[in-house]
Amino acid sequence: GAGVSQSPSNKVTEKGKDVELRCDPISGHTALYWYRQSLGQGLEFLIYFQGNSAPDKSGLPSDRFSAERTGGSVSTLTIQRTQQEDSAVYLCASSQPGQGGYGYTFGSGTRLTVV
Amino acid sequence: GESVGLHLPTLSVQEGDNSIINCAYSNSASDYFIWYKQESGKGPQFIIDIRSNMDKRQGQRVTVLLNKTVKHLSLQIAATQPGDSAVYFCAENKGNTPLVFGKGTRLSVIA
Repeated sequence: GAGVSQSPSNKVTEKGKDVELRCDPISGHTALYWYRQSLGQGLEFLIYFQGNSAPDKSGLPSDRFSAERTGGSVSTLTIQRTQQEDSAVYLCASSQPGQGGYGYTFGSGTRLTVV
Repeated sequence: GESVGLHLPTLSVQEGDNSIINCAYSNSASDYFIWYKQESGKGPQFIIDIRSNMDKRQGQRVTVLLNKTVKHLSLQIAATQPGDSAVYFCAENKGNTPLVFGKGTRLSVIA
């Protein structure tokens, strides 16, 4: 597609339930990033995939968070046993090899609300 | 009690005036600094970047200034328009490591 696509755009879930958030990066972009944006805050790094390398999971806030990237393309961020503090906008970005931050293209995000 | 960090710094400017948005960064080893614009309900969009070996770069209506001595970055928007209303983030980057973002500033343009 022309841009980074994220689904769903909005998700309301009950505390304790699991959720899956999906990201379709731009075709050919081998780098994929997940960030979290809480209300009125900046973007908090979660996880980074680059090609076939092991992902950089250093930003995941707890073991309830996990992500995978299948076939080097689509990525899914899973949050288990959701808590109210997980409520945020989850943003995905992709970039081409060799490009730094100036090459990031962000999706519109998934707004997660845990009630 | 007060909720620290829930309110973004806000800058209000009159339409047609120039805007200056400031940012302090943390990593003196960063290679690139980038400004992003985020409109409501959208992801951040790239505006302009600057390499660490430069101190000024100009784009269309925007200028970024880098002061490495005090680790300060600024974004200047000339002749601010209503469409410039958004949240602006600075970000720093080193190599292929993920971008590190600042907290953001909300720019409101008064028509």
